[in-house]
Amino acid sequence: DTAVSQTPKYLVTQMGNDKSIKCEQNLGHDTMYWYKQDSKKFLKIMFSYNNKELIINETVPNRFSPKSPDKAHLNLHINSLELGDSAVYFCASSRSISSYNEQFFGPGTRLTVL
Amino acid sequence: ELKVEQNPLFLSMQEGKNYTIYCNYSTTSDRLYWYRQDPGKSLESLFVLLSNGAVKQEGRLMASLDTKARLSTLHITAAVHDLSATYFCAVDSRDFGNEKLTFGTGTRLTIIP
Repeated sequence: DTAVSQTPKYLVTQMGNDKSIKCEQNLGHDTMYWYKQDSKKFLKIMFSYNNKELIINETVPNRFSPKSPDKAHLNLHINSLELGDSAVYFCASSRSISSYNEQFFGPGTRLTVL
Repeated sequence: ELKVEQNPLFLSMQEGKNYTIYCNYSTTSDRLYWYRQDPGKSLESLFVLLSNGAVKQEGRLMASLDTKARLSTLHITAAVHDLSATYFCAVDSRDFGNEKLTFGTGTRLTIIP
């Protein structure tokens, strides 16, 4: 059973396009996250949502817009894609944002902008 | 801003040897996590360390936390090829009361037969 799933796994697109990545978790967790991992494997948080509410919004261009229709889903929409957006994007979830919690990661979406 | 540094960044070691990966962080925190990432794969949680002096062991890996020194170690005993991966530490910091993980730079471990 997949705990945190993402689609698509790979995404190749042209500069200037708009694309979305979807994430779903079946762990019953309250909190979900988006991370970006660059080509040097550096992993940085972008957003977190707790029960559909935006909690953390790091310094991310406003071309990136997360949306959480319910607490099991957190999607990431990216407008006007740029070359520098090429990276692996990981979704993660945790039980609650107000206490210690392990974060469980999805398989990642490798985005390539040409 | 919290900074998390790991060293070494790259580690190549022979099977059967012991080694330690270090994770230093810059501000007070008593919660630290270790993750493993295989090439092209996701991150897998290895250890959750929640207090000063915490020690956890799983197989050939042992993690410890010294919150006073702001240091965590991941010790590998008698390395085997299956342990080849990139290892990340992540430190919990409170951002207006909410947890945020700041990841270290990662240590790419290669075990040579």
